[in-house]
Amino acid sequence: SQQGEEDPQALSIQEGENATMNCSYKTSINNLQWYRQNSGRGLVHLILIRSNEREKHSGRLRVTLDTSKKSSSLLITASRAADTASYFCATALNSGNTPLVFGKGTRLSVIA
Amino acid sequence: EPEVTQTPSHQVTQMGQEVILRCVPISNHLYFYWYRQILGQKVEFLVSFYNNEISEKSEIFDDQFSVERPDGSNFTLKIRSTKLEDSAMYFCASSGGPGFTDTQYFGPGTRLTVL
Repeated sequence: SQQGEEDPQALSIQEGENATMNCSYKTSINNLQWYRQNSGRGLVHLILIRSNEREKHSGRLRVTLDTSKKSSSLLITASRAADTASYFCATALNSGNTPLVFGKGTRLSVIA
Repeated sequence: EPEVTQTPSHQVTQMGQEVILRCVPISNHLYFYWYRQILGQKVEFLVSFYNNEISEKSEIFDDQFSVERPDGSNFTLKIRSTKLEDSAMYFCASSGGPGFTDTQYFGPGTRLTVL
């Protein structure tokens, strides 16, 4: 299975701290995407990293990808209470019209 | 910024009834998808659609499901005879905009409750 798996399942931190979430997958991929989901709401796209990239930044987000270990990490720096949400990684086998395979997610709680 | 929209936000139906979930993908996107998320579980792929036909479907997408793009803007998911286990959040997504970006943009979802 291509399935992505995040860890930890749940993470609780203080506002201002950094949060790191990890994702592992099993097969070769074209790209990996991170999404945020507030409770009961839609999926918000955060960042896409391709298999030939090692690191990408977007604002307070930093994503790394290690294809040799089949793993990715999402770092949120200087966390805020508004970052409280579930975070999912999703992998795509190919470019273009291809299904995403989601992991189970990490539930992040940022305490003010 | 363009976004994917879905209606209704919440649908309650009786077991055995037909439901149609509607989506308006981002206008210049080429690829369309439906996913579902049963409460507390991960997001699962149902079907992808391109050039007016299904390009890929999962084992979940059995004969009771169908998709259609009836006009240039709407993309629908029909469940012919709903079952209790169809209760879930259903997400529409689109991708393949200018530059053929691989990013899939998701709508806010339709929460389907089957009684």
